[in-house]
Amino acid sequence: TQLLEQSPQFLSIQEGENLTVYCNSSSVFSSLQWYRQEPGEGPVLLVTVVTGGEVKKLKRLTFQFGDARKDSSLHITAAQPGDTGLYLCAGERYSSASKIIFGSGTRLSIRP
Amino acid sequence: DAGVTQSPTHLIKTRGQQVTLRCSPKSGHDTVSWYQQALGQGPQFIFQYYEEEERQRGNFPDRFSGHQFPNYSSELNVNALLLGDSALYLCASSFGQGRVEQYFGPGTRLTVT
Repeated sequence: TQLLEQSPQFLSIQEGENLTVYCNSSSVFSSLQWYRQEPGEGPVLLVTVVTGGEVKKLKRLTFQFGDARKDSSLHITAAQPGDTGLYLCAGERYSSASKIIFGSGTRLSIRP
Repeated sequence: DAGVTQSPTHLIKTRGQQVTLRCSPKSGHDTVSWYQQALGQGPQFIFQYYEEEERQRGNFPDRFSGHQFPNYSSELNVNALLLGDSALYLCASSFGQGRVEQYFGPGTRLTVT
């Protein structure tokens, strides 16, 4: 059972376009993190959201945590080729504060 | 400021063999978690070490074991390797057992033939 579902699995868009990727679950999380991973490397933490409804911005990236703490979204404005990579969401469960559950990721490709 | 380091980078083993992977946490961090990432999947939590003890464990068999040293570095040991153990093994460090943010190393690519 996949506790965190990410959609879409793959996304290929033109440079300059906007996009949104989603991370959904039936479980409630105490916090949720977004990572970006490039081939052959470990995931790099982008942001952590901890409050229901929280919105955080990182340059052209906007992250939102759902009000019920069960879902999150990542919106990229004016995508650039450097945004290419695997985007992973990871939720930290209340029942096991030290155990983080990862989604299977969204593989994003930005065409010049 | 040194980040998380892992060794070796790549490793090829035969079924039935044993392997040890190593991790040095980011400076100032005292907690190490290990993950297995199969091709095309997200990382799966193996276990976490804090104060030299295993504190949390994911759904992995006893063939997977670990250790944390007084300097906070850690090892992951896998016995009786199976073909299905082929994956990228990631180490992540953080400060404090109940922490939220963790930083990953580049991983060790293990291939079992």
